Amino acid sequence: RKEVEQDPGPFNVPEGATVAFNCTYSNSASQSFFWYRQDCRKEPKLLMSVYSSGNEDGRFTAQLNRASQYISLLIRDSKLSDSATYLCVVNAGGTSYGKLTFGQGTILTVHP
Amino acid sequence: EAGVTQFPSHSVIEKGQTVTLRCDPISGHDNLYWYRRVMGKEIKFLLHFVKESKQDESGMPNNRFLAERTGGTYSTLKVQPAELEDSGVYFCASSHPGGRGVGYTFGSGTRLTVV
Repeated sequence: RKEVEQDPGPFNVPEGATVAFNCTYSNSASQSFFWYRQDCRKEPKLLMSVYSSGNEDGRFTAQLNRASQYISLLIRDSKLSDSATYLCVVNAGGTSYGKLTFGQGTILTVHP
Repeated sequence: EAGVTQFPSHSVIEKGQTVTLRCDPISGHDNLYWYRRVMGKEIKFLLHFVKESKQDESGMPNNRFLAERTGGTYSTLKVQPAELEDSGVYFCASSHPGGRGVGYTFGSGTRLTVV
């Protein structure tokens, strides 16, 4: 079983749509959670951290359920520029505090 | 502020040859990381430096890979001898002291092709 699992998609949605991505992680001791975004042939970039209380950044809302080991990302009012691969990322902390564990990514294409 | 710089951006080498990748982190970032993505797989951790010391090298695939960070500034990752399965994109990242999963900046990567 992969440490971080995501639905690879692809998700093809029209502009203005709402789209949700899900992710599960296997290490119950994981301490920090993130969504990264990666454009084609580019480096990953932090989109947002994910907190237990849930957090929002403009059109983006992230949720964490520690009991279910489940993370989600909701994108409202999709823009063409949101087209990218969205990576669910987990950090175990402890002695591996520097190590990020990535999911395989979910591909999103927003079309006119 | 200059970002994380990686060199070369692309490298094509023959199986059995040696390749050295370089990473210049953001100035003042004590933490430096190497990751790689092979075709069709997720990005995977290779190792983590704190200054010049290896904090965690649990992700290094085998002894053909050697990472160094002399003086705690830039880092090199040498693959010797290269095998076909080493092809992929190698990313370097850095973060400020104490960064625990936050504040990472990734370089644009080195695309390595072994033929």
